Amino acid sequence: GAVVSQHPSRVICKSGTSVKIECRSLDFQATTMFWYRQFPKQSLMLMATSNEGSKATYEQGVEKDKFLINHASLTLSTLTVTSAHPEDSSFYICSARGGGPGELFFGEGSRLTVL
Amino acid sequence: QKEVEQNSGPLSVPEGAIASLNCTYSDRGSQSFFWYRQYSGKSPELIMSIYSNGDKEDGRFTAQLNKASQYVSLLIRDSQPSDSATYLCAVQGTYKYIFGTGTRLKVLA
Repeated sequence: GAVVSQHPSRVICKSGTSVKIECRSLDFQATTMFWYRQFPKQSLMLMATSNEGSKATYEQGVEKDKFLINHASLTLSTLTVTSAHPEDSSFYICSARGGGPGELFFGEGSRLTVL
Repeated sequence: QKEVEQNSGPLSVPEGAIASLNCTYSDRGSQSFFWYRQYSGKSPELIMSIYSNGDKEDGRFTAQLNKASQYVSLLIRDSQPSDSATYLCAVQGTYKYIFGTGTRLKVLA
């Protein structure tokens, strides 16, 4: 299947700092990428849809000024958590369509801990 | 609200048995369906995709789709302890994917 790489896999930061997470499609071009967050023992929650060359589409209740998404190329989307707080601690996962029709592939995920 | 429903489980099966995981969806116009496996602390991994009514087999996995009943299932034959994970059903919508909350499967050695 298609490969999506996410970095960093784990990050610890102080409250008030910003953290950037990168998501790359390694062997295909992705015009659309999706960002999810997942709390322990809960289901995936779609945060936003990232579109190459245009603004991201955020889900209801997700603060676009706090979770900045940039999709500057067909292989890279970034999520920046600005002014992070402990409640932003979560597992953030990106995904992109590749391979067979509609098949969605996930990055490894990034576990953010805000102290 | 377009939804995908799954029984949260846990579903416990003995090693070597068949595990049957079920999923229903509300959008009758849906065309593409997927099963993902997610181990604890890891991201989801695509197991199967299915687009047409009927069965699709891949190794020990069989996906079944019945669009009239709006029902998708995943059968795992000869279940192994390593199959213990949460299985997510996903339906492709117009602009995004709708995920179920997942069924936790436990395969008992």
